[in-house]
Amino acid sequence: AQSVTQLGSHVSVSEGALVLLRCNYSSSVPPYLFWYVQYPNQGLQLLLKYTSAATLVKGINGFEAEFKKSETSFHLTKPSAHMSDAAEYFCAVSSLTGGGNKLTFGTGTQLKVEL
Amino acid sequence: NAGVTQTPKFRVLKTGQSMTLLCAQDMNHEYMYWYRQDPGMGLRLIHYSVGEGTTAKGEVPDGYNVSRLKKQNFLLGLESAAPSQTSVYFCASNRHTLAGAYEQFFGPGTRLTVL
Repeated sequence: AQSVTQLGSHVSVSEGALVLLRCNYSSSVPPYLFWYVQYPNQGLQLLLKYTSAATLVKGINGFEAEFKKSETSFHLTKPSAHMSDAAEYFCAVSSLTGGGNKLTFGTGTQLKVEL
Repeated sequence: NAGVTQTPKFRVLKTGQSMTLLCAQDMNHEYMYWYRQDPGMGLRLIHYSVGEGTTAKGEVPDGYNVSRLKKQNFLLGLESAAPSQTSVYFCASNRHTLAGAYEQFFGPGTRLTVL
């Protein structure tokens, strides 16, 4: 079985500060990992994904994440937060076993960006 | 391309009433999914489909039924709505893959309230 743990349901940063959102995964097979962002009253939008090609993955809007197998982590970072980054962020792990491409999501981290 | 669309956007039901949520995608995707999103619980998979005419249970299937009569449509039914089914429902789709993992594309969601 696979699972995802997101530490911190709410994170608050100042505009211009580093953003760090934590994600740890558990998977019995090599994982595919995703970060999605959800703006208020909208669906989920892909930020970036890890599919074993490179451990440092760059996504949209200046976000990146590093896959660390030894730590079973896939933390999301952005060097300088912008007000428009305020949203909810979800980490997800995928497995191709059992048919389909099912995603298991973490419980989400609400990011607040303050002036 | 419209991507993934969901109908309706909002709905209020009384306990015991039935309804059907419609998901449509115009990307010719083989796989489709229904999730529910509840505060603090992330997204949980209700049912999914790996192709026209096929459906399978996800993590929280009780109280829901689905059908995939056409490749582009995936219907979610509630036969007898209960207050515990008050949630935001998201549909998603992605391409079939034998290797690697393709991102899921999400619809805008349906906000359902059961009184």
